[in-house]
Amino acid sequence: GAGVSQSPSNKVTEKGKDVELRCDPISGHTALYWYRQRLGQGLEFLIYFQGNSAPDKSGLPSDRFSAERTGESVSTLTIQRTQQEDSAVYLCASSLVYASTGELFFGEGSRLTVL
Amino acid sequence: KNEVEQSPQNLTAQEGEFITINCSYSVGISALHWLQQHPGGGIVSLFMLSSGKKKHGRLIATINIQEKHSSLHITASHPRDSAVYICAVRFRIYSGGGADGLTFGKGTHLIIQP
Repeated sequence: GAGVSQSPSNKVTEKGKDVELRCDPISGHTALYWYRQRLGQGLEFLIYFQGNSAPDKSGLPSDRFSAERTGESVSTLTIQRTQQEDSAVYLCASSLVYASTGELFFGEGSRLTVL
Repeated sequence: KNEVEQSPQNLTAQEGEFITINCSYSVGISALHWLQQHPGGGIVSLFMLSSGKKKHGRLIATINIQEKHSSLHITASHPRDSAVYICAVRFRIYSGGGADGLTFGKGTHLIIQP
């Protein structure tokens, strides 16, 4: 596609429910990143993918968070048993090659509100 | 721990003023990004630097590798420049306790008044 696409753009859920957030990177971009931004806070790195592999998942806040990527394309961030502290904007970005000096392209984010 | 510090945190200026936003970091880097985040939340990449200076329209970004410092300048500022400007750094050796990735500054909230 023309840019990084994220869905849903807004999600309101009840505490304890599971949510899935989707990121569709720019075609051909091998690197994909997930970030979280709480209200009034800076960006918090969660996880990155090189192709379909996530070499290090230690940035994920808890074991309720998981992410996968298939076909070196779409990625899904899943939050199980959501808590109110999970409320944030979840941003996805992609770049042509990981750890290169290339530009990052961000999606518009998925705003998650846990009631 | 590798750190990125931005200053000022908040900046309000009048239309037409020359704006400077600073970013300092603790150890050697392979790349530094300047990002712009508008009130709606979308983030746009402005520059990626590893040395020297880049210019795009009214925006100029410079980096001094020896001093571990980068600046973002806006000439002839306009109300539409109002946004949060974020410095993000890729350290050569990441020691933040997590995966190798970008370390973000907390952002500079810029307001340009007409």
